[in-house]
Amino acid sequence: GAVVSQHPSRVICKSGTSVKIECRSLDFQATTMFWYRQFPKQSLMLMATSNEGSKATYEQGVEKDKFLINHASLTLSTLTVTSAHPEDSSFYICSARAGGTGRTEAFFGQGTRLTVV
Amino acid sequence: GNSVTQMEGPVTLSEEAFLTINCTYTATGYPSLFWYVQYPGEGLQLLLKATKADDKGSNKGFEATYRKETTSFHLEKGSVQVSDSAVYFCALEGTDSSYKLIFGSGTRLLVRP
Repeated sequence: GAVVSQHPSRVICKSGTSVKIECRSLDFQATTMFWYRQFPKQSLMLMATSNEGSKATYEQGVEKDKFLINHASLTLSTLTVTSAHPEDSSFYICSARAGGTGRTEAFFGQGTRLTVV
Repeated sequence: GNSVTQMEGPVTLSEEAFLTINCTYTATGYPSLFWYVQYPGEGLQLLLKATKADDKGSNKGFEATYRKETTSFHLEKGSVQVSDSAVYFCALEGTDSSYKLIFGSGTRLLVRP
């Protein structure tokens, strides 16, 4: 299957700083990328959908100024958690799907565990 | 709106036992249905899928049948192994053009030797 690489896999940052998480599709062009947040022992909550070259569409309740998403190329999307606080600590997962007609599979990154201290 | 309901875990089984994890959904039209598996500290991997009523998805001994009449997509495996221990998520993709996946709450499976 296709490969989606997420980096870093773990990051610890101080309160008030910003953290950038990268999501790359290694062997296909990802027209659409999704960012999810997963709390311990809970399901994935969709944060936003990003299409290459367009502004991201955020789900209700997700602060777009807090979670900046950029999808500047067909192989890279980034999530920046700005002015991070301990409550932002979570597991963040991206997924990517190729474009084209019909429905194509979404491939997931391995996730990034963010700890804000 | 679309939603997915899964049985709560954890589910603890002995090796070679039969597994069923229930999943029901609410959606308009004919969504695509998926089972994903998440191993500790990792992202999600697609386990199987079905895109229309009565389709059966299967992979690695796991099976699930898309039942429109009961709006269900239960996951089954005849003989589980220790290596199957993971969290399993049922998900649907609606019929709109957003391609969003709606996930169930996840079911943790623990298989003991």
